[in-house]
Amino acid sequence: DAGVIQSPRHEVTEMGQEVTLRCKPISGHDYLFWYRQTMMRGLELLIYFNNNVPIDDSGMPEDRFSAKMPNASFSTLKIQPSEPRDSAVYFCASSLGLPQETQYFGPGTRLLVL
Amino acid sequence: QQPVQSPQAVILREGEDAVINCSSSKALYSVHWYRQKHGEAPVFLMILLKGGEQKGHDKISASFNEKKQQSSLYLTASQLSYSGTYFCGTEGGYSGGGADGLTFGKGTHLIIQP
Repeated sequence: DAGVIQSPRHEVTEMGQEVTLRCKPISGHDYLFWYRQTMMRGLELLIYFNNNVPIDDSGMPEDRFSAKMPNASFSTLKIQPSEPRDSAVYFCASSLGLPQETQYFGPGTRLLVL
Repeated sequence: QQPVQSPQAVILREGEDAVINCSSSKALYSVHWYRQKHGEAPVFLMILLKGGEQKGHDKISASFNEKKQQSSLYLTASQLSYSGTYFCGTEGGYSGGGADGLTFGKGTHLIIQP
């Protein structure tokens, strides 16, 4: 299996621009998670989906952030408008179930907002 | 709430042992341990599902005391390849009755010197 796929791997943008991050989970995994990692706050869960339905978005920092999962093999995390404090590494992960199932992480997208 | 990891950092010589602790303030379904190397995604090490359980592979093992809501990761006869940041992720419950996804500690930085 190819594992969790994320794109782009790196993104540099200017403040105010829209940013879209993409994720393809492992085939057959029913759960998809979006995390953000910064030095100050560590790894934070932003939102997770079960069978394409958002279950818990309490970690989404602001209305500028939105996530969708139109089908079982694709999810997006959008930031509009972006701000410098959004600079971080964004990871997507997927798992067969919840709880007590292993989460497999994608390689991450390094976002820099200037 | 975010689990608390200790110590924050450890420097060892190759062949020495280390223990990393993870403590939560809430009841847990499970504890997950991950290792992350610089610039890479977190990689799953093991999951502990019930109180008193101890698991391990190679020279890395872990225990989970459900009553105390604590887990410890044991690295025996450490190797250079063990260097990285170790995260515990805890699964607790949410008001809806299900699990609430992983909440990660801030990590323990492990440096192994030859």
